[in-house]
Amino acid sequence: SYELTQPPSVSVSPGQTAKITCTGDALTKQYAFWYRQKPGQAPVLVIYKDTERPSGVPERFSGSSSETTVTLIISGVQAEDEADYYCQSADNINTFHVVFGGGTKLTVL
Amino acid sequence: EVHLVQSGAEARKPGESLKISCEASGFNLNNYWIGWVRQLPGKGLDWMGMVFPVESNVTYSPSFQGHVTISADKSLNIVFLQWSSLKASETAIYYCVRHGVFGSSASDLYFYIDVWGKGTAVTVSS
Repeated sequence: SYELTQPPSVSVSPGQTAKITCTGDALTKQYAFWYRQKPGQAPVLVIYKDTERPSGVPERFSGSSSETTVTLIISGVQAEDEADYYCQSADNINTFHVVFGGGTKLTVL
Repeated sequence: EVHLVQSGAEARKPGESLKISCEASGFNLNNYWIGWVRQLPGKGLDWMGMVFPVESNVTYSPSFQGHVTISADKSLNIVFLQWSSLKASETAIYYCVRHGVFGSSASDLYFYIDVWGKGTAVTVSS
């Protein structure tokens, strides 16, 4: 089955820029979406269609895409951004099948 | 406001059956692909499958095909996830989700999740 690969963890100091990558062959054809999950809560969509930000999501969240890698970028990281982040795309054979990356734990030092 | 309201926490023994539910609030779920996402304790998100209630069209992740059943009651605006024989390894939180979708044709569709329920905790233990 199709896989999306994320680093298990990323650490940054407050005010710095955090970059979380997600790699998969189908990302050249499929859009990526990003979700933030805080402990004990359901995930929330923070980026859609690689680079778009839903209403209500802070402007410090952005996304980029290049070939087989998409990146979630959090500028000016704040303590409240500490969470697990998941990328999501679709199976490259059956696009009706949603696929998640393994998740990245963002630690704010 | 749009919500997905899930049934409460459940505890079962291995081999027992279970059916959990998800109701829409603030929208008609018959017009959306409604799915389920599993999260094992301390682990990541696993997409299980989804149903389009108005057509009773269901698609499953290969990892879950044959292990669970996703169904919908169009008249009651409810979606279900059920197991016929639970295993201890299926202890997890199960999220009901609403899928957003866009694209220009049936062969060019992109699915994502725009609404999440709060999750139903399922514990399977002897």
